[in-house]
Amino acid sequence: QVQLQESGPGLVKPSETLSLTCTVSGGSISSFYWNWIRQSAGKGMEWIGRIHTTGNTNYNPSVESRLTMSIDTSKKQISLKMISVTAADTAVYYCARLHAYRFDSWGHGTLVTVSA
Amino acid sequence: DILMTQSPSSLSVSVGDRVIITCQASQDISNYLNWYQHKPGKAPKVLIYDVSNLEAGVPSRFSGSGSGTHFTLTITSLQPEDIATYFCEQYDTLPFTFGQGTRLEIK
Repeated sequence: QVQLQESGPGLVKPSETLSLTCTVSGGSISSFYWNWIRQSAGKGMEWIGRIHTTGNTNYNPSVESRLTMSIDTSKKQISLKMISVTAADTAVYYCARLHAYRFDSWGHGTLVTVSA
Repeated sequence: DILMTQSPSSLSVSVGDRVIITCQASQDISNYLNWYQHKPGKAPKVLIYDVSNLEAGVPSRFSGSGSGTHFTLTITSLQPEDIATYFCEQYDTLPFTFGQGTRLEIK
């Protein structure tokens, strides 16, 4: 069964860049869309964006101007970079695999706090 | 963006209860709706896809129905392990959007 593990710094300063990595194990990374989803305290989930193993990306317009996703199939890793973060970007960030139009595998999430 | 309005936001329940959670879309999403279960500190888990199809391994006490803009998740005879937050998700149109979640609490 595929497993996803998010990693990255738990604290980022305002205006700086948030960088996260999702590592895939126990299954293939190929031919799927890999997604980043976040949840702020007291709020619902927010889909941030996705990347296919071909490199095709789709981003949520709410963050598109600040977001870059990349994929390294040899390392089985998906990366997220978000520039110019603010306190509003404080959230638990999840990576998730999209398979047959549903998020069938998720990581446990990583908390990112934006604070000076 | 398609707004997914989920209700209730929280529910006090007892073991054995029948639980109904609703999700309303701001526009017609046909049957492009999934339901997830999320327990604290764990990875969310898909329960139902395409409105009414049970994901492999999910107990049959979970069911989904609806179409267009109104959808429901039903848990018949709630079990202790069902205490969690449940949320819907539409995949009709990017960006994918989610309901705010329904948190079940034991009475």
